[in-house]
Amino acid sequence: AQSVTQPDARVTVSEGASLQLRCKYSSSVTPYLFWYVQYPRQGLQLLLKYYSGDPVVQGVNGFEAEFSKSNSSFHLRKASVHWSDSAVYFCAVSQQQGTGSKLSFGKGAKLTVSP
Amino acid sequence: GGIITQTPKFLIGQEGQKLTLKCQQNFNHDTMYWYRQDSGKGLRLIYYSITENDLQKGDLSEGYDASREKKSSFSLTVTSAQKNEMAVFLCASSTWGFSAETLYFGSGTRLTVL
Repeated sequence: AQSVTQPDARVTVSEGASLQLRCKYSSSVTPYLFWYVQYPRQGLQLLLKYYSGDPVVQGVNGFEAEFSKSNSSFHLRKASVHWSDSAVYFCAVSQQQGTGSKLSFGKGAKLTVSP
Repeated sequence: GGIITQTPKFLIGQEGQKLTLKCQQNFNHDTMYWYRQDSGKGLRLIYYSITENDLQKGDLSEGYDASREKKSSFSLTVTSAQKNEMAVFLCASSTWGFSAETLYFGSGTRLTVL
């Protein structure tokens, strides 16, 4: 069975500061890994995804994530946050399951960017 | 681009009532999903459908029914609403349902049961 752990439920950073949101996964095989973002009163939108190759993947709006097989992690980073980055961030892992795939989400990390 | 439209945006029901949530997508995607989002619990898969008239149970299917009569629409029914239940139900779609695909989400239906 696969699972995702996001250890930090709430994160507050100052505008312009760097950000790291942690994600640990458990899977019997190397899964497909995703970060989604949810802005207030909206659905989730894809930030970035990884399934092979360079362990550092670039996403939208300056976000990047680094895959580590040895640590079973897929941490999200941004060098300088903006107030508009305030949102809930979800890490997710996916495995093929029969005729469909199963996407398992972490509990989310609510990011607040303070002025 | 496309869009996923969920109706209604807000749904208030009584305990024991049967409630139906609707989802429409114009991506022409084959696979559609229903997730339940509870505060602090992330998203949990209720049902998904890989094609018209197909239904697959997720981790949280008990207490729910689903229907996929057309490729573009996917409905979810709460068979007997539970008192004090509050959650957001998110509909999503993807091209074929493979592991590497991006899911596209609607903005959700917020359910309150009195």
